[in-house]
Amino acid sequence: AQSVTQLGSHVSVSEGALVLLRCNYSSSVPPYLFWYVQYPNQGLQLLLKYTTGATLVKGINGFEAEFKKSETSFHLTKPSAHMSDAAEYFCAVRSYSGAGSYQLTFGKGTKLSVIP
Amino acid sequence: ETGVTQSPTHLIKTRGQQVTLRCSSQSGHNTVSWYQQALGQGPQFIFQYYREEENGRGNFPPRFSGLQFPNYSSELNVNALELDDSALYLCASSFIAVGWSGELFFGEGSRLTVL
Repeated sequence: AQSVTQLGSHVSVSEGALVLLRCNYSSSVPPYLFWYVQYPNQGLQLLLKYTTGATLVKGINGFEAEFKKSETSFHLTKPSAHMSDAAEYFCAVRSYSGAGSYQLTFGKGTKLSVIP
Repeated sequence: ETGVTQSPTHLIKTRGQQVTLRCSSQSGHNTVSWYQQALGQGPQFIFQYYREEENGRGNFPPRFSGLQFPNYSSELNVNALELDDSALYLCASSFIAVGWSGELFFGEGSRLTVL
């Protein structure tokens, strides 16, 4: 079964500082990996995804993530935090749910706070 | 292109009651999934519907059931509500052909409180 583990339920950074949110995965097959963001009282929005090919993937709002098979990691980074980045971030892996269908298995989330 | 819309946004029920949550998928999408997000947790997969048939289910009991309609709108029904059913219920739609990439488009959710 596929799973993801997010290290740190809460991360605080200063505005303009580097953002690093950690995600490790477990998968018996080549993984499809995702980062989603959830702003307060809203649904989830896709930030970026890795399926195959280039291991460094760029997403919206200046975020990027690197797939590292040797480390089973898919950490999310942004060079310079902005106040608008304050939200909860979820790492997810595509999992097979039977009958030819797939689901997303999410981590528990990391809440990012940005300090002015 | 309309997004995913859910109703109601908030509701309160008592233990033992039944609830129906509704979702309207994004235009052009053929698949709808439901997720439960308990407070402080990530979303957990309940089930998925494709062409009006359930074709994938997570670790949820049969009192969680659903429907998908020809216009790709959907319902989630929960019978015999328990306190632990209190959560944000998220509907997500997608277009699945061969080799789904995994991108889901989420609604803003229905927050259910069970007293």
